[in-house]
Amino acid sequence: ETGVTQTPRHLVMGMTNKKSLKCEQHLGHNAMYWYKQSAKKPLELMFVYNFKEQTENNSVPSRFSPECPNSSHLFLHLHTLQPEDSALYLCASSQESGGAPFFGPGTRLTVL
Amino acid sequence: RKEVEQDPGPFNVPEGATVAFNCTYSNSASQSFFWYRQDCRKEPKLLMSVYSSGNEDGRFTAQLNRASQYISLLIRDSKLSDSATYLCVVKPGGYQKVTFGTGTKLQVIP
Repeated sequence: ETGVTQTPRHLVMGMTNKKSLKCEQHLGHNAMYWYKQSAKKPLELMFVYNFKEQTENNSVPSRFSPECPNSSHLFLHLHTLQPEDSALYLCASSQESGGAPFFGPGTRLTVL
Repeated sequence: RKEVEQDPGPFNVPEGATVAFNCTYSNSASQSFFWYRQDCRKEPKLLMSVYSSGNEDGRFTAQLNRASQYISLLIRDSKLSDSATYLCVVKPGGYQKVTFGTGTKLQVIP
């Protein structure tokens, strides 16, 4: 595997479900990110991790919970989501925090 | 004023045409600039960095105007495959995060 991979690619969940999104980067980068992209809106940065430490949380609701066990893996745990949380969730990495991010293919999430 | 502003378009141009997009940014301390391309329902991909003196990559030319705080992307001899949304990205100095514009949609028509 090369680049940034994400699983699952598509996810449909009910508002009471709990699920996790997984991201893995094979680029040797030190920073990892979660972005949200909704229809007709700009990319929204959710979380930033630098060397496994969370350095930014952009007022994201607590129903989204990130986890970064090491510099190569990033998770986004989801619980009691709302229909308005339906979006494309993109994981990205960069050599250092703030560098031009390299994106994974994204997880298209639908909350029913 | 938004941190990064782009005309959403769409820009509909015929094959072979030259098209240019501008992007303005509000933070005068911004130090790095990039153009990304995003195809429909795909992730954004880095197209090119933008250097102070301007730079060219094949049919694509990027320029920076620090005095007026804008960057531009020029595409010559447009191809059908250039149809996509082009995102302007601005980075302040140090370890601060990059900021994405909303994107400009380009449709190249036969």
